[in-house]
Amino acid sequence: DTAVSQTPKYLVTQMGNDKSIKCEQNLGHDTMYWYKQDSKKFLKIMFSYNNKELIINETVPNRFSPKSPDKAHLNLHINSLELGDSAVYFCASSRRWANEQFFGPGTRLTVL
Amino acid sequence: DQQVKQNSPSLSVQEGRISILNCDYTNSMFDYFLWYKKYPAEGPTFLISISSIKDKNEDGRFTVFLNKSAKHLSLHIVPSQPGDSAVYFCAASASETGANNLFFGTGTRLTVIP
Repeated sequence: DTAVSQTPKYLVTQMGNDKSIKCEQNLGHDTMYWYKQDSKKFLKIMFSYNNKELIINETVPNRFSPKSPDKAHLNLHINSLELGDSAVYFCASSRRWANEQFFGPGTRLTVL
Repeated sequence: DQQVKQNSPSLSVQEGRISILNCDYTNSMFDYFLWYKKYPAEGPTFLISISSIKDKNEDGRFTVFLNKSAKHLSLHIVPSQPGDSAVYFCAASASETGANNLFFGTGTRLTVIP
């Protein structure tokens, strides 16, 4: 009965590959997010979707493409992976306009 | 440019004593502040928050203080327990630019020594 779940938990891949990370929330929230935590532990928002509609899109390379098939899911697809993409990626969800966000356990991506 | 800063990367406190974690921000538009707690290999979990119309919010052992003029907030944990050992993130948002857009600090690792 995990509230926000992500798969996979760990992802190791080669430069140039394309990979996806899946996120699902069962909290009934309208808004979902992707964050990146880099090696300096800086947690920064990448995208936010509300009811499948993009509402925040920070400066992120267009190799990153979020996809929201329904309001309970927000997947992150990354094309042509680069070494600098290595990080921990967190999915989160919240009610619309609510400040409190609920985070998933994170996906540690390592690009070799 | 980091708008939320936690200048102490780590803090060690004896069990039973008070832990004080600090956070500074630069954006005067921020009007809502949150603290998150993170254990290894888990996502951050919401701990406590405060609106800019207040200067204090208390929830059990956790109290957050906000000093708007100094653009500073702090989290007090009293008494500290070994289970409080974790990384604590401060976050802020501005309702005018979207309450959902949280800006996080880099975290302070708290170690409570039994």
